Amino acid sequence: SQTIHQWPATLVQPVGSPLSLECTVEGTSNPNLYWYRQAAGRGLQLLFYSVGIGQISSEVPQNLSASRPQDRQFILSSKKLLLSDSGFYLCAWSYGTLGNYGYTFGSGTRLTVV
Amino acid sequence: AQSVTQLDSHVSVSEGTPVLLRCNYSSSYSPSLFWYVQHPNKGLQLLLKYTSAATLVKGINGFEAEFKKSETSFHLTKPSAHMSDAAEYFCVASGGSYIPTFGRGTSLIVHP
Repeated sequence: SQTIHQWPATLVQPVGSPLSLECTVEGTSNPNLYWYRQAAGRGLQLLFYSVGIGQISSEVPQNLSASRPQDRQFILSSKKLLLSDSGFYLCAWSYGTLGNYGYTFGSGTRLTVV
Repeated sequence: AQSVTQLDSHVSVSEGTPVLLRCNYSSSYSPSLFWYVQHPNKGLQLLLKYTSAATLVKGINGFEAEFKKSETSFHLTKPSAHMSDAAEYFCVASGGSYIPTFGRGTSLIVHP
């Protein structure tokens, strides 16, 4: 069966520090991968998605970047965190070109920038 | 283009009473529709999905949803609310691209 792992679960980082969140998927190949952010009391905002190794699409230009160095690995990074980067970050995967089979989410990372 | 509207930001029910969470969609094609549940500080869990088969879809934990094309709706229901149902619920549409469209979420509050 397919599983998705996301870590760390919680993170407290000072303003200006770098960030690296990792997401890996097991049990499938060539998944579509997504990074979402959920600010307090708000819905989900799509940050990046990837349909293949090295292919990254950015939905919202900002202080963050994403990379997909391996087929089932998706990394969210920042060189210098801002207070506004605080939030709940979710990784997800899907398969198929139309997403008709749904999306499976990781357990999330709570990032607090102080 | 597609959009998803969850008509209520908050729904409050008493334990043991029915639950209705409303979702309307707009799409230029026939989308696949999903309901997800999110408990505090957790990821999203798939409750149920509609993918052009039966219009009445049964999901986990006693939830079900009915796809009504004429009304462009996909409302989520449960006959009897349980305290553990208190969570955030998201209606999602997908199809035609890699990117799903999320509703803004409905917070379900269950009173004892």
